[in-house]
Amino acid sequence: GVTQSPTHLIKTRGQQVTLRCSSQSGHNTVSWYQQALGQGPQFIFQYYREEENGRGNFPPRFSGLQFPNDSSELNVNALELDDSALYLCASSLYPNEKLFFGSGTQLSVL
Amino acid sequence: QQQVKQSPQSLIVQKGGISIINCAYENTAFDYFPWYQQFPGKGPALLIAIRPDVSEKKEGRFTISFNKSAKQFSLHIMDSQPGDSATYFCAASKGSGGYQKVTFGTGTKLQVIP
Repeated sequence: GVTQSPTHLIKTRGQQVTLRCSSQSGHNTVSWYQQALGQGPQFIFQYYREEENGRGNFPPRFSGLQFPNDSSELNVNALELDDSALYLCASSLYPNEKLFFGSGTQLSVL
Repeated sequence: QQQVKQSPQSLIVQKGGISIINCAYENTAFDYFPWYQQFPGKGPALLIAIRPDVSEKKEGRFTISFNKSAKQFSLHIMDSQPGDSATYFCAASKGSGGYQKVTFGTGTKLQVIP
């Protein structure tokens, strides 16, 4: 399955954070979503074969990396209080295939 | 701009009853309409999905009804069970553009009471 680390994280406003995801074996695509409390997930971006493939309405301080070994990262710079949310990673075989979500990383920005 | 509107926000149903969740969308370019189920502490999991060329899809106790002209779709859970208690999200996406961006509704918290 899809695994994410860490499960919980507390940061201070202005800091930088890196969230990690391990995709399902053989999946070429990873997508990241932000889920605020009581809301549905919002699309941040998608990576396909290590290149950014599409992006939602998130500022450039949200960036990502995808590695050939089924791992990927979400980086957020200059953290703001509103960045507090559950960050979900989802992998798929190809960009338009079924998404398999991890359990997420709960980020709290104080 | 909320492109997928979902109601109700919460729902309490007796065991054995029918749970109905409704969604409406705005973007006619959407061509894939999935429903996701999310349990506390877990990520969403695909439950059932439909494409707009079909008006209804049934998988076990779960049925999607789709009305393309009204731009509305709904999830019916027949014979609701306590194990169905979870948050349900309707969603929509379009396959064109080379990538998949799923737009989620705001969620419905379902509680099935014995």
